[in-house]
Amino acid sequence: DQQVKQNSPSLSVQEGRISILNCDYTNSMFDYFLWYKKYPAEGPTFLISISSIKDKNEDGRFTVFLNKSAKHLSLHIVPSQPGDSAVYFCAARGNAGNMLTFGGGTRLMVKP
Amino acid sequence: GAVVSQHPSWVICKSGTSVKIECRSLDFQATTMFWYRQFPKQSLMLMATSNEGSKATYEQGVEKDKFLINHASLTLSTLTVTSAHPEDSSFYICSAPPQGVDGYTFGSGTRLTVV
Repeated sequence: DQQVKQNSPSLSVQEGRISILNCDYTNSMFDYFLWYKKYPAEGPTFLISISSIKDKNEDGRFTVFLNKSAKHLSLHIVPSQPGDSAVYFCAARGNAGNMLTFGGGTRLMVKP
Repeated sequence: GAVVSQHPSWVICKSGTSVKIECRSLDFQATTMFWYRQFPKQSLMLMATSNEGSKATYEQGVEKDKFLINHASLTLSTLTVTSAHPEDSSFYICSAPPQGVDGYTFGSGTRLTVV
């Protein structure tokens, strides 16, 4: 049972345009959501997070939107840069413990 | 920010041997450490949670006798893959719970190849 899903395995975007990465979850007990960027053979790098009591959090080029009723969150990157090319994981934390549940990841390719 | 140092970065071992992976919290104390495994082009799957001073908690389907976890101190957690087999080849990553606003801190990962 996959509680966190990223339905798009890959996304290709032109440099300077907006990248939108989506994530859906099924567990209504998740109270904290995070986005990570990952390169092969490296650990994930934290990008941005959002608490379930908010619907938007912004940090520079990165904005995360949370729609609790739809159990959906998205990461917007604008403007996209070639250096943003990587695999992006969304993760969720339940209030029953501190562990994270990860989505399957979306490979973002930003073309110059 | 908080840093978790993970070693080794990669290791190749023969079938039947054991491999130890270490994760150290460099500038903070971690009473808990999460251990994940990632197969190629797949997500990070939680294997177990180590707790300083007590037994680790394993996720369903993870063999505790094969993946020995020890949380020896507030700054060191280890994962030992015992009697490794080729199917254990994977990318193993540790993570410490949030120490501030930067979210969970991850180690750099260990690429294990069993031949």
